[in-house]
Formats: sequence, structure tokens, C-alpha cells
Amino acid sequence: EVHLVESGGGLVQPGGSLRLSCAASGFTFSRYWMQWVRQTPRKGLVWVARVNTDGTYIHYVDSVKGRFTISRDNAKSTLYLQMNSLRPDDTAIYYCVRDSYMDSKFYGWDVWGQGTTVTVSS
Amino acid sequence: DIVLTQSPLSLAVTPGESASISCMSSQSLLHSTGNHYLDWYLQRPGQSPQLLIYLVSNRASGVPDRFSGSGSGTDFTLTISRVEAEDVGVYYCMQALQTPPYTFGQGTKLEIK
Repeated sequence: EVHLVESGGGLVQPGGSLRLSCAASGFTFSRYWMQWVRQTPRKGLVWVARVNTDGTYIHYVDSVKGRFTISRDNAKSTLYLQMNSLRPDDTAIYYCVRDSYMDSKFYGWDVWGQGTTVTVSS
Repeated sequence: DIVLTQSPLSLAVTPGESASISCMSSQSLLHSTGNHYLDWYLQRPGQSPQLLIYLVSNRASGVPDRFSGSGSGTDFTLTISRVEAEDVGVYYCMQALQTPPYTFGQGTKLEIK
């Protein structure tokens, strides 16, 4: 069965850092683009970052550029999100998402993790 | 950035009746392939979002045929026929044409009367 399991969330003070991990199982991780999406009651679902299959094509939402880094380890089937200089407005549930884009065809974001909660507060 | 506007933001439906949710885009979502890059997701209470419909009208694996998507250009609709209790949740449209960034609608909350 296909699974994405996030970990690494928690409470951190403003200016602090966290590293989120997303362990993939049940599919060939290296064949898929991956995304991070966050959710808050006020802003709803917001795309955060994406990475292609080999980690060479990466993009971020403007609000996290220079602070967050997405990466992947295909040997470990794991996606990461290094979050530095955290701010209170980074408080959210963070989801790891499988992007079914393959062979120039798009089939939606078909697998979502259960989410991990990040709280930035003093 | 492309802005997606959903309506209504909430609706209450009697089981067995149908429901429709609109998603309007600030720009055409037509890709050079001829497909429109518009998806629908459902977030049931306490759960993560799940893919319902991709490329306007294609149901994801395991999605009942009660769910259908339609539209083109900038106007899209998700229709749920014969609403059931398990359909309760928040429905989101998302565009994947002009990225980054991917953008979502505000969400539409479906409740059962």
C-alpha cells in the first residue's frame, strides 16, 4: 500500500529551525515529483515547495524563499523540508504530497501524507 | 499568480440530492496539450485532502462515479449526484497550469441537512 508519513513537526521559537521528513513506501519514490503543502484555518491550502525526481529542479513559494530548503534522498525514499528563520506565520499543518506528473502528463496529486504540525511561537 | 474563486463557500444538501460547486479562474487553465490543468480535492473532517478529479473531468482511482467534473477556459464545476453522508467535508479546486505557484480555491464546505 502506498504511504507518505511525515515527521519532525513541533513547537519552535521565532527564528528557530525545524527539519521535516516524509518517508515514502509502497511505490518507487524516485519516479515521482514531490511537493510540500501547508494548511492553516486562515489561508487554507498553500503550496510551499516542489522537487523533481532527481532533486535538480526546485521551486518555492515566495514567502519561504531563502528560508526553506526542499530535498530528497531517493536511496532512502525520503523527502525533506529544512525550515530556517521560522516565523509565526509559518505555523501550519505541513503535508507531503506525491505529484503524479510523469512523462509530460499530469494526473493530479494522488497521495497525501497525514500531515505534521509546526507551531512557531514564543 | 492565478486566483481561483469558489462558490458557494458552504452548502447543505439533503442525502440523495445533487450538489454543484463552482471554481472560477482568473486566467484560462488551458494547456498546450488541450487539457485544462484543474483538479478537485476533498478534505473529510480530520483527514488529509484526497484527489477526486484531475484535468477537469477525470476521476481518481476509487472515486465513485457520483462525482463528475466539467468546464473549460476559466469556469469549472464539480457535481456530486446523489449526495451521501460520506461526502461531507471541504472541497478545493487547484490549478496546476501556471506554476509556480500552484494555487487553490478557498474551499467549499459541504454539510448534510
